[in-house]
Amino acid sequence: AQTVTQSQPEMSVQEAETVTLSCTYDTSESDYYLFWYKQPPSRQMILVIRQEAYKQQNATENRFSVNFQKAAKSFSLKISDSQLGDAAMYFCAYRRGGVRTSGSRLTFGEGTQLTVNP
Amino acid sequence: DTEVTQTPKHLVMGMTNKKSLKCEQHMGHRAMYWYKQKAKKPPELMFVYSYEKLSINESVPSRFSPECPNSSLLNLHLHALQPEDSALYLCASSQVGRTREFYEQYFGPGTRLTVT
Repeated sequence: AQTVTQSQPEMSVQEAETVTLSCTYDTSESDYYLFWYKQPPSRQMILVIRQEAYKQQNATENRFSVNFQKAAKSFSLKISDSQLGDAAMYFCAYRRGGVRTSGSRLTFGEGTQLTVNP
Repeated sequence: DTEVTQTPKHLVMGMTNKKSLKCEQHMGHRAMYWYKQKAKKPPELMFVYSYEKLSINESVPSRFSPECPNSSLLNLHLHALQPEDSALYLCASSQVGRTREFYEQYFGPGTRLTVT
């Protein structure tokens, strides 16, 4: 079974600074996807960034980037130039690859609560 | 339109009540999901519907009864719930198919359920 571990229950960062959230996972699959989801206090879960396991290049989305280390099974999220609106719970998630006609099951980590200090 | 809507936003019900949660999406997605989320915890998958058929049931108690009347709607019927069922119930939707795609799940804002 796949597992996702986020070892930092809480993190804080000063506005405009950079913060890195850690995520490790365990799987025997070679084809999979990894995601970072953000859940602000309003509770709407939104996708921040995604990474395909077969791509060596790290994904980036504006101020968000990942450091994907496949051999180490590590998938950290870096937030640059942190903003107050980045304050949220961040979940790392895993999904098996391949064709999924029955829907895609996500395995979530326990989450990291990020506080952004002004 | 990349929105998943859920109604009601809040629901308080007694243990003998029957109520329903509703979820709707108009993105043409053919997979829809129900999750249960406790405070400061990740979402837990409950059910998955694919092409209006139940494809995954994560051993959820029968007091939760899902229904998918059509490809845009997903209901969760609640009956004889327990106080420990109080949680945020999230609906999500995604594409399915036979191509390599991300099948990103789009989440709704959730229904905050309190069982008294």
